[in-house]
Amino acid sequence: EIVMTQTPLSLSVTPGQPASISCKSSQSLLHSDGKTYLYWYLQKPGQPPQLLIYEVSNRFSGVPDRFSGSGSETDFTLKISRVEAEDIGVYYCMQSIQLPPTFGQGTKVEIK
Amino acid sequence: QVQLVQSGAEVKKPGASVKVSCKASGFTFNSYGISWVRQAPGQGLEWMGWISAYNGNTNYAQKLQGRLTMTTDTSTSTAYMELRSLRSDDTAVYYCARDRGTLVRTYYFDYWGQGTLVTVSS
Repeated sequence: EIVMTQTPLSLSVTPGQPASISCKSSQSLLHSDGKTYLYWYLQKPGQPPQLLIYEVSNRFSGVPDRFSGSGSETDFTLKISRVEAEDIGVYYCMQSIQLPPTFGQGTKVEIK
Repeated sequence: QVQLVQSGAEVKKPGASVKVSCKASGFTFNSYGISWVRQAPGQGLEWMGWISAYNGNTNYAQKLQGRLTMTTDTSTSTAYMELRSLRSDDTAVYYCARDRGTLVRTYYFDYWGQGTLVTVSS
């Protein structure tokens, strides 16, 4: 199965400052159909995960534009342009090009 | 609005079975799939399997094959996940999620249920 590796595993950010999370996959996530099957989720404390970004860079409905995704093939990045208090939680990347879908270990973001 | 409402917490003994339900509303149920994802205490996310609400096709995680059955009831827009021969390491929060994969396989999950804690303990 495809291994997803996130760095860092934890991040402490001052409100208003940017934050960046890296996700690397053990195989290319670019499919012959032209799509790249990489997703980002945020799990806020005590809540289920919520979808932030689909197919590398598309913000899901209602996701603030301070969140952006980029990358290709095996290297991906989630950026938060200005972190807000409500952004705390654990961020996961996920691939679904190959079964089973697999998640990164998670990156815990806290506020300084 | 899209909602997935799961059944309540369960406590089971090792060797028993558990069946968790996930009632959908706010969208056309048989136009999507449903995936189940679990999270052991303090751990990350593990995909368990997917079912098409359109045709009943399933994909299951290999490690759970033989113990896992997913079904849907389109008349009530409800999905079910049954896990048998429970072990202590099956203790986890179980989530259902609406899956954009409709016909053949899982795709990605856009809305999630609130989660159901299943505790396996003697």
